[in-house]
Amino acid sequence: GAVVSQHPSWVICKSGTSVKIECRSLDFQATTMFWYRQFPKQSLMLMATSNEGSKATYEQGVEKDKFLINHASLTLSTLTVTSAHPEDSSFYICSARVRQGADHTQYFGPGTRLTVL
Amino acid sequence: DQQVKQNSPSLSVQEGRISILNCDYTNSMFDYFLWYKKYPAEGPTFLISISSIKDKNEDGRFTVFLNKSAKHLSLHIVPSQPGDSAVYFCAASARGGNEKLTFGTGTRLTIIP
Repeated sequence: GAVVSQHPSWVICKSGTSVKIECRSLDFQATTMFWYRQFPKQSLMLMATSNEGSKATYEQGVEKDKFLINHASLTLSTLTVTSAHPEDSSFYICSARVRQGADHTQYFGPGTRLTVL
Repeated sequence: DQQVKQNSPSLSVQEGRISILNCDYTNSMFDYFLWYKKYPAEGPTFLISISSIKDKNEDGRFTVFLNKSAKHLSLHIVPSQPGDSAVYFCAASARGGNEKLTFGTGTRLTIIP
């Protein structure tokens, strides 16, 4: 149980275009999902917290107009990188949080490798 | 300000022996801790968690110990297997896990056959 999927697993796009990444919890409902970014040889950096039915909460320094997050249902959150530039190239990972009693574990998706040319 | 620290960037252990990974935290509000395993170009895989009301939690080959007074936790893997070779992250959260996770910098574990 507790499987989280991401689509696509990798994407290459031209500078200036927008890219949408989907995150789905496959076997549980997640009122809260998270979006992270990982640079090479570094830890995961939280970008934003996505709550179903409400606006996302962005971490300091993350441009909300550039990284659009939509949490349309209890099993789906999307991250859209708008007007992508080469510096946005990174590994993006989502997670979904279980809420069952005292269990608040976050389960992670497999990640999406974005390369902006 | 690194609130969660993993001071050993790498660790090598012989197959069959015990692997001990350490993690220190500074924020006294943290009360829920998790360990994740990560391979390159993949998302982290959840291993084990512990709440601050406990000082030990065990799941198969994995045991996590929490020393609240020292603000220190450790993950023990025994016996270590080649498939355990990966980067291990500890993470901490407040309000029983309701707050966002703060990750350590990771420790690369290599199991030597």
